[in-house]
Amino acid sequence: AQKITQTQPGMFVQEKEAVTLDCTYDTSDPSYGLFWYKQPSSGEMIFLIYQGSYDQQNATEGRYSLNFQKARKSANLVISASQLGDSAMYFCAMRDGVRGSQGNLIFGKGTKLSVKP
Amino acid sequence: DVKVTQSSRYLVKRTGEKVFLECVQDMDHENMFWYRQDPGLGLRLIYFSYDVKMKEKGDIPEGYSVSREKKERFSLILESASTNQTSMYLCASNLQGDNEQFFGPGTRLTVL
Repeated sequence: AQKITQTQPGMFVQEKEAVTLDCTYDTSDPSYGLFWYKQPSSGEMIFLIYQGSYDQQNATEGRYSLNFQKARKSANLVISASQLGDSAMYFCAMRDGVRGSQGNLIFGKGTKLSVKP
Repeated sequence: DVKVTQSSRYLVKRTGEKVFLECVQDMDHENMFWYRQDPGLGLRLIYFSYDVKMKEKGDIPEGYSVSREKKERFSLILESASTNQTSMYLCASNLQGDNEQFFGPGTRLTVL
């Protein structure tokens, strides 16, 4: 069965430093997609970055990059130059191969990132 | 910009009440989803719909039903609310074949 694992319930990072949020996944489907979402304390889910299983290069979006290691089934999010506004919950998600035609996502349990000034 | 709206940000109901949570999207998306979010459990899919009047059970459908009479609107119904349904409820939508899901602001439901 498809599964997403985020092993870090909470993390601290100093402002302006880089931080890596871990995500491992499990699927037998050769075609899948991996996502990262940010959820500030206000509650809305904000899409950050997407990586397809056949993409040759790691995805990047501004200060966000996805360290995709297919053989290890990991899709870690790297945030460079952390800002106070990065303090939030971060969720890793995978498009479900079984119900993927409808775009269903499986979510990890999340990592709470706190950026210290 | 895609807009997904939910009828209430906060809702307080009593055990046994029938509860309706409404979600509306304005981008003609085929797919709509209802999740609940609980601390330490992440987001779990309750139901989804890929077309008007079509619905599929997600991972935790027990105690819930849904209705999709119009393409833009997807309602989550708690037939008889219970205290273990106290949670944050998130609605999302996307286009068929698209990767990203767009989320509403969430409804924090408390059942007393």
